[in-house]
Amino acid sequence: AQKVTQAQTEISVVEKEDVTLDCVYETRDTTYYLFWYKQPPSGELVFLIRRNSFDEQNEISGRYSWNFQKSTSSFNFTITASQVVDSAVYFCALTPGSGGSYIPTFGRGTSLIVHP
Amino acid sequence: DAGITQSPRHKVTETGTPVTLRCHQTENHRYMYWYRQDPGHGLRLIHYSYGVKDTDKGEVSDGYSVSRSKTEDFLLTLESATSSQTSVYFCAISESTTGSYEQYFGPGTRLTVT
Repeated sequence: AQKVTQAQTEISVVEKEDVTLDCVYETRDTTYYLFWYKQPPSGELVFLIRRNSFDEQNEISGRYSWNFQKSTSSFNFTITASQVVDSAVYFCALTPGSGGSYIPTFGRGTSLIVHP
Repeated sequence: DAGITQSPRHKVTETGTPVTLRCHQTENHRYMYWYRQDPGHGLRLIHYSYGVKDTDKGEVSDGYSVSRSKTEDFLLTLESATSSQTSVYFCAISESTTGSYEQYFGPGTRLTVT
């Protein structure tokens, strides 16, 4: 069974601060996929990034960066110079890469509030 | 954006009535999922489908049934709605053959059971 833990329920920052959202996972699969999703106040759920278990390269996309470390079973998400538009609930998820079901396990989400 | 629509977007119904929510996709993705989202619980999987007429239960399937007669449509039915089923329901799709696995979500349906 998989487990995804987002220990930070809510984070509040002031605009332009850097913020890191933590995600820790548990799985017995050797092949798996990690994801981050964003849910802004408007309510839609938006896919942000996927990482394969065999690819530990970090990724940067503009102000967003993701740090995947298998040694600590973590897949953390950093927003640099946060903006009010970053205010949202962010979900981390894990999908097994074998077994055929491809059923993701989601964390409970971290609510990020960016104050102007 | 992935082509996923949900209908209705909002519904108010009375306890004991049957309700059907529809998810429609234009992406020809194999996998479809129904989730409910409630404060403090995140996203919880109700049912999922891995092909036409192939469905299985998720973690909170009691009181719900699903059907998938076509690749593009996945229906969620509340047999006899209860107040505990008041929630926001999301449909999602994914595809494994391309090695992607990420999910794309519909806009959600807000259901209120009075």
